[in-house]
Amino acid sequence: DVKVTQSSRYLVKRTGEKVFLECVQDMDHENMFWYRQDPGLGLRLIYFSYDVKMKEKGDIPEGYSVSREKKERFSLILESASTNQTSMYLCASSLGTDTFDTQYFGPGTRLTVL
Amino acid sequence: DAKTTQPNSMESNEEEPVHLPCNHSTISGTDYIHWYRQLPSQGPEYVIHGLTSNVNNRMASLAIAEDRKSSTLILHRATLRDAAVYYCILRDGQFYFGTGTSLTVIP
Repeated sequence: DVKVTQSSRYLVKRTGEKVFLECVQDMDHENMFWYRQDPGLGLRLIYFSYDVKMKEKGDIPEGYSVSREKKERFSLILESASTNQTSMYLCASSLGTDTFDTQYFGPGTRLTVL
Repeated sequence: DAKTTQPNSMESNEEEPVHLPCNHSTISGTDYIHWYRQLPSQGPEYVIHGLTSNVNNRMASLAIAEDRKSSTLILHRATLRDAAVYYCILRDGQFYFGTGTSLTVIP
């Protein structure tokens, strides 16, 4: 079974702090994704990566950066957390990028910024 | 981005079939139709996908209209564990998740 793990289920940070959200997949997938999920807005893509050290902006990259130094690990970074970044963050991975490829999601990290 | 329209919520009695509709009138010829579901406090999980023909797997069936402008996810016997938000997605490059249909299963 594909497993996508996220470093924390719940996280509380203060405004202005630098926040790291870690995601690890164990299936040697090429592609990894970060989404945020907010009530009424569904899931929105923040960043994705097709290969090590490669990254592409999604729909809402402002205020975020990412790092992919190893194939299995994809980190989301909030350089200076703000209250409007309070959200559920979901990481996903997929083997390929064809339109029939399946994405596998982690359990999510609920981040609260005070 | 490819758009889908789903009802906000639906209810079903336990052990009865459930038909979850999705409209996607702007679908293009190469768009796959994907369904995911999200159980409470979990990330989304894959349910089923198809292109033109109806599809079956151990979780559900997918019925695709002949003109491909709509599809229906069928859960043959709803259980309490099927209570979730169900997302219908057209794969157009990336995945675009809308707000889905929240399914309530009544014991």
